[in-house]
Formats: sequence, C-alpha cells, structure tokens
Amino acid sequence: EADIYQTPRYLVIGTGKKITLECSQTMGHDKMYWYQQDPGMELHLIHYSYGVNSTEKGDLSSESTVSRIRTEHFPLTLESARPSHTSQYLCASSDSRAFFGQGTRLTVV
Amino acid sequence: SQKIEQNSEALNIQEGKTATLTCNYTNYSPAYLQWYRQDPGRGPVFLLLIRENEKEKRKERLKVTFDTTLKQSLFHITASQPADSATYLCALLNSGGYQKVTFGTGTKLQVIP
Repeated sequence: EADIYQTPRYLVIGTGKKITLECSQTMGHDKMYWYQQDPGMELHLIHYSYGVNSTEKGDLSSESTVSRIRTEHFPLTLESARPSHTSQYLCASSDSRAFFGQGTRLTVV
Repeated sequence: SQKIEQNSEALNIQEGKTATLTCNYTNYSPAYLQWYRQDPGRGPVFLLLIRENEKEKRKERLKVTFDTTLKQSLFHITASQPADSATYLCALLNSGGYQKVTFGTGTKLQVIP
C-alpha cells in the first residue's frame, strides 16, 4: 500500500567499504526519516529531513550521512562500514502519518 | 525532556480477551496521537490516528482513547486473536510547523490460543 521503497533489501559487505542505502517515496511527503533497529529492540532515529536541502541528526549518534536533493529521494551513506553498523535500517516518510519501507538488513563482515 | 513511554514488558493475553496497551507522554503538545503495528523484521504499519480534540476513535476491533489532561492514550484490541501478536508502538506528532512523528519504544503483545 505504501509507496516508499528501499534498496537493497539485504546487503553483506566487507569492513571498510563505502555503502549507500537507497530510499524513495512517491507520496510527495516533505518529511523523511532513517531509523536503525536491532532485532527485538526499539526504533532509533538517526536522521530526518523536513524537505529539500534540510537534514538533521536524530537521537542516536550515527556515523552515517544523508542528503536530500530531491523531495522523493533520501539516501543514507556509510563512508567506511564496520561490524558495529550491522543492523536493520528503516526509511520512512510522513504527512500526519508515517509510512515505512521494507527495510535494509545490513551485515558488515 | 520529552518522553513517550510504553510498557517495556510483554503483554500476554488469552485469545478472545481484550488487550489494553498504554502510552504516556511528557513535554509534548501533540496534534495527533497514532498507533502502529510492527511485525518482526518489518517496518511499522499505521493503524489509527486520533486528534487532540477527540476522546475516542474506533476501527473494527480496535479502539483508541486520548486524554490530554492525563497525557495518556489507551489502545484496546477486543476479541484478541493469535494473529494480533506483534509489537505495538504509539507515536506523536506535535502541533506547530516542522514537527516530526516521534515513536515510543513499543509493547510486545502475545495472544495465547
């Protein structure tokens, strides 16, 4: 139902590699978010954006960076992946309600 | 500081009974309060939204109440089924511009057959 897409769904990558997780939405929402979540644990907000060229860090410190050049696109980049980055990453967009993508499960070996 | 608190302990309930989950918040002035369902390995899915001037909202077996004086919302699932087993999160959207949706920590519900 939700028109928000994340790629890849699963990623296994070696330590030190640069990765970009993609997130796109077709709902025209200004607000977009990246969350990190480990199995059975709570959502942690790592980045959010109120609109184009507007990004802010979330509550959980993260070594990742984001950009918002277009309304529909909100990629997350890790310059040098480490095993501690192994987690699930969820992208969302919102008007008054939040819509989530299917997530990217990242494993850094 | 701002807080959205949900019971971190899992709620176990017998099939057919009513499950009641609680969400308390501090230092927010929410325009909307929302409830989401999250299944393992998936993102949360929106269930219900209630506005600050509403006391109660229903959708099929779901009922949400919102008490802005107590700063609390209750989420009820009547005639609970094993398929209702999931983690339920409340979320707030503060009034005013440039506000983001903020999630609570969630409560895991287990419905026992």
